[in-house]
Amino acid sequence: NAGVTQTPKFRVLKTGQSMTLLCAQDMNHEYMYWYRQDPGMGLRLIHYSVGEGTTAKGEVPDGYNVSRLKKQNFLLGLESAAPSQTSVYFCASSYIGRGNTEAFFGQGTRLTVV
Amino acid sequence: GEDVEQSLFLSVREGDSSVINCTYTDSSSTYLYWYKQEPGAGLQLLTYIFSNMDMKQDQRLTVLLNKKDKHLSLRIADTQTGDSAIYFCAEMKAAGNKLTFGGGTRVLVKP
Repeated sequence: NAGVTQTPKFRVLKTGQSMTLLCAQDMNHEYMYWYRQDPGMGLRLIHYSVGEGTTAKGEVPDGYNVSRLKKQNFLLGLESAAPSQTSVYFCASSYIGRGNTEAFFGQGTRLTVV
Repeated sequence: GEDVEQSLFLSVREGDSSVINCTYTDSSSTYLYWYKQEPGAGLQLLTYIFSNMDMKQDQRLTVLLNKKDKHLSLRIADTQTGDSAIYFCAEMKAAGNKLTFGGGTRVLVKP
């Protein structure tokens, strides 16, 4: 059981380049999230999805786009990368069920924009 | 995030109890969580509490929830060196099912 898998694990981009981070979950979860983690700032929610075909903005959505075309995948796109987007990105998935609502996290993607 | 606040750092001696505190602002939050992050790793759920509960105990972990003051705490009994990590408090907001995290508390356990 793979859980939540993020690809790639590491990436270095030049300013202005674009890229897509992929998150895949095999637990049939409805909810999926993208966070960024910066030193001293904890995890900040970028975008999230409450089901296939739906997305919503989190705390820090600017400069990012997302898509949830398939229930198991949640893609995070950077159209024109900026140094301020250097961060560690985490994807998570969860379901809301009676008595249990644990979010499962991927191992993270370390992105450096130079 | 601004909605969930934690102190930045806690130092504790091995064998003592650790108490990590968290405050949140959304009184309609349905679930509150404690996650642990070890260096270079993702987040691992430690425990959670439903908003209509006051306390939950799970082995060495005790969660206390004060809904009136919107205060959540995590007590780790008999703290071990393996408990050194960053601990995150998080809330599940009722509106939109957003999962929002605090800034994390770095716990250092000294032998």
